[in-house]
Amino acid sequence: QVQLQESGPGLVKPSDTLFLTCSVSGNSINSNNWWVWIRQFPGDGLEWIGYIYSSGAVHYNPSLKSRVTMSVDASKDQFSLIMRSMAAVDTAIYYCARKPSDVPYFDYWGQGSLVTVSS
Amino acid sequence: EVVLTQSPATLSLSPGERATLSCRASQSVGNAWLVWYQQKPGQAPRLLIYGTSNRATGIPDRFSGSGSGTDFTLTISRLEPEDFAIYYCQQYDTSAITFGQGTRLDIK
Repeated sequence: QVQLQESGPGLVKPSDTLFLTCSVSGNSINSNNWWVWIRQFPGDGLEWIGYIYSSGAVHYNPSLKSRVTMSVDASKDQFSLIMRSMAAVDTAIYYCARKPSDVPYFDYWGQGSLVTVSS
Repeated sequence: EVVLTQSPATLSLSPGERATLSCRASQSVGNAWLVWYQQKPGQAPRLLIYGTSNRATGIPDRFSGSGSGTDFTLTISRLEPEDFAIYYCQQYDTSAITFGQGTRLDIK
């Protein structure tokens, strides 16, 4: 059973940097999958942030590319998201997910981590 | 970036009725790259349909997907109480993955 679990702060201040980690169990992070970050805004809209392969190859949403960095720690079966210059509009539930290679969909999702940006 | 527009925003139906949800793309999307998810309150989205018309593992056959080009449809043939949720379409292209804004399916 593949499981993903996000961890990180629930609250960040405007202009600060967000650090989130996703722990994967039931599936090696070295498997033939991309590891994904997606966020969901209040009011329900979904936005793809980007994904990373175990090799370190990344694809970022062009609209967020300048503020985002993803990394993988295969020894811990974890991957991480760094998002800089956080603002109130970045308040959202942040999900990690899995995208098998060569398919266009996300088949396993974490439960989500609410991040609120406020002073 | 491909913009996906879902309609209606809210659909109010009764159990046993048929639901038809629309997803329109701002440019042509390959059939292999159109996906549908279901989301219930407090849960992450759940994969429902991929490749326009293929049901994901464990999805009942009352759910079906169709369409091509810029117009895609999710149909629920006979609504069960557990089907009332929000439904999102999603497309994949090499530059960006985008989602529709969702259709909320409410009990009438």
